Amino acid sequence: AQTVTQSQPEMSVQEAETVTLSCTYDTSESDYYLFWYKQPPSRQMILVIRQEAYKQQNATENRFSVNFQKAAKSFSLKISDSQLGDAAMYFCAYRSGGTSYGKLTFGQGTILTVHP
Amino acid sequence: GAGVSQSPSNKVTEKGKDVELRCDPISGHTALYWYRQRLGQGLEFLIYFQGNSAPDKSGLPSDRFSAERTGESVSTLTIQRTQQEDSAVYLCASSLERGGRGKNIQYFGAGTRLSVL
Repeated sequence: AQTVTQSQPEMSVQEAETVTLSCTYDTSESDYYLFWYKQPPSRQMILVIRQEAYKQQNATENRFSVNFQKAAKSFSLKISDSQLGDAAMYFCAYRSGGTSYGKLTFGQGTILTVHP
Repeated sequence: GAGVSQSPSNKVTEKGKDVELRCDPISGHTALYWYRQRLGQGLEFLIYFQGNSAPDKSGLPSDRFSAERTGESVSTLTIQRTQQEDSAVYLCASSLERGGRGKNIQYFGAGTRLSVL
């Protein structure tokens, strides 16, 4: 079974600064997808960024980028120019590849606080 | 609808009662998922439905939990004889199956917060 570990229960950053959230995972599969989701107090999970394991290039979405190290099974999220609206719980998630659907396996989450 | 809708938003029940939680997926989405999120923790997979295939029930924690889906629309998660450890937020997600390599994204509802007294 796959596992996802987020070792930072809480992180904080000053507005406009950069912060990196860590995630490691364990799998014996070679085909899979990795995700970062954001969960604000409204509870609704919002997809931040997605990475296909077969792609070596790190995914980027505006101020959000990942550092995907497949051999080390590491998938960190970097948030640049942090904004107050970035404050939320962030979850790393894994999904097996090979099909276009399937359950997500989540880490325990990291609470991000952004200080003005 | 525009997004995944879940009802009720909050539910308080007494231990031993049965509860039903409802999920309306995004129109046209063939896959529907249920997850449970205990306080301060990550999401745990419960069950998912994909088209006409048999549902994957591998995450259901006990036989008190069951779920149904009508075609490719509404789903209901039922918890019988609720226990205090069932208190959690129950989140539903849906996705559109695409052919070939999995590009689907799971879109989540805002969840139902269940409190068992």
